Amino acid sequence: GAVVSQHPSWVICKSGTSVKIECRSLDFQATTMFWYRQFPKQSLMLMATSNEGSKATYEQGVEKDKFLINHASLTLSTLTVTSAHPEDSSFYICSARVRLETQYFGPGTRLLVL
Amino acid sequence: KQEVTQIPAALSVPEGENLVLNCSFTDSAIYNLQWFRQDPGKGLTSLLLIQSSQREQTSGRLNASLDKSSGRSTLYIAASQPGDSATYLCAAPSWGSYKLIFGSGTRLLVRP
Repeated sequence: GAVVSQHPSWVICKSGTSVKIECRSLDFQATTMFWYRQFPKQSLMLMATSNEGSKATYEQGVEKDKFLINHASLTLSTLTVTSAHPEDSSFYICSARVRLETQYFGPGTRLLVL
Repeated sequence: KQEVTQIPAALSVPEGENLVLNCSFTDSAIYNLQWFRQDPGKGLTSLLLIQSSQREQTSGRLNASLDKSSGRSTLYIAASQPGDSATYLCAAPSWGSYKLIFGSGTRLLVRP
């Protein structure tokens, strides 16, 4: 149980295009999901907290107009990187909160912007 | 503001050796602390979660301890194997929330 999937697992796009990444909780409902970003050989940095039915809460320094988050249902949150540029190339990981203190992580999506 | 630090950044040991990974955190008012494993290019695998009321947790060859008063946690790996080679991350919540703050990780290489 408590499986979180991400789609796609990797994506290559041209600079200026938008990319949507999906995060799904497969066998449980999650009112809260989190989006993290990880640059090579660095740790995970929280980008935003996605709450079902309400606006996402972004961490300091994360552009909300660039990283659009939609938590449309209790099992799906999406992250859209708008007008992607090479510096947005990274590993994006989502997690879904089951209980207050427990998060289950997805397998990650590797984004390469050319 | 919670800050999490891991030492060492990298570790290389021969197979069979017991080893300890260290994690320190600045805010001791935590609900729990978690240890994760990350293989190259992959997501996170949760290894152990220690609640604030606990001192340690064990799973197979892994044992994690928590000392809130000193702001430290250790992950002990017994009889290391090449398959243990990965990056190990610890994470603690930031004060007053359940947002996880991650350390920078320890890259472990177990040599056959």
